[in-house]
Amino acid sequence: KAGVTQTPRYLIKTRGQQVTLSCSPISGHRSVSWYQQTPGQGLQFLFEYFSETQRNKGNFPGRFSGRQFSNSRSEMNVSTLELGDSALYLCASSLGTGTIYEQYFGPGTRLTVT
Amino acid sequence: AQSVAQPEDQVNVAEGNPLTVKCTYSVSGNPYLFWYVQYPNRGLQFLLKYITGDNLVKGSYGFEAEFNKSQTSFHLKKPSALVSDSALYFCAVRAQTGANNLFFGTGTRLTVIP
Repeated sequence: KAGVTQTPRYLIKTRGQQVTLSCSPISGHRSVSWYQQTPGQGLQFLFEYFSETQRNKGNFPGRFSGRQFSNSRSEMNVSTLELGDSALYLCASSLGTGTIYEQYFGPGTRLTVT
Repeated sequence: AQSVAQPEDQVNVAEGNPLTVKCTYSVSGNPYLFWYVQYPNRGLQFLLKYITGDNLVKGSYGFEAEFNKSQTSFHLKKPSALVSDSALYFCAVRAQTGANNLFFGTGTRLTVIP
């Protein structure tokens, strides 16, 4: 079974631009979560989607948004990019949204904002 | 509030020796605990989880972890370290009820010396 895939793997953007990242979960997984990983802040939760609905949101500004499609694929969007948004963005999928399920992570998208 | 502490940023161990990566947690109620490993330029790979039952949990690649409720710890162990085990290890926690997102520790870099 194929793992979680994320596209693109690397991205360079300029301050003020916006960016869209894509995530395809493991087949059969209906929950998708997004995390930001930076050297200073570590791994921080952005949001979770299940059945096309946002179930949970972390402490990030409204510039960060996401959505999920009927096939469980998810996208996250960051508008008005700032230098501090440079990070590895990780997508994780799980079978369900219950807390018992482990999450399986994709390879991440490395975003660099200049 | 939920949190995880990984008190050691770096652990060095000789190949063939046993290894331990420490993790303590704080959560309201009973915890679900997870260990993930991250190799360079890769996402997080799931190693093992504690849900309930036996305090000693066995996972992938010969790793195991011991849940200690009284000490609120969930240390990762392996009887004989391999050079290929060198990576960044993350402990994560979530409460059994409530939001599905994981709270991660800051990570411990394990280096296995040949």
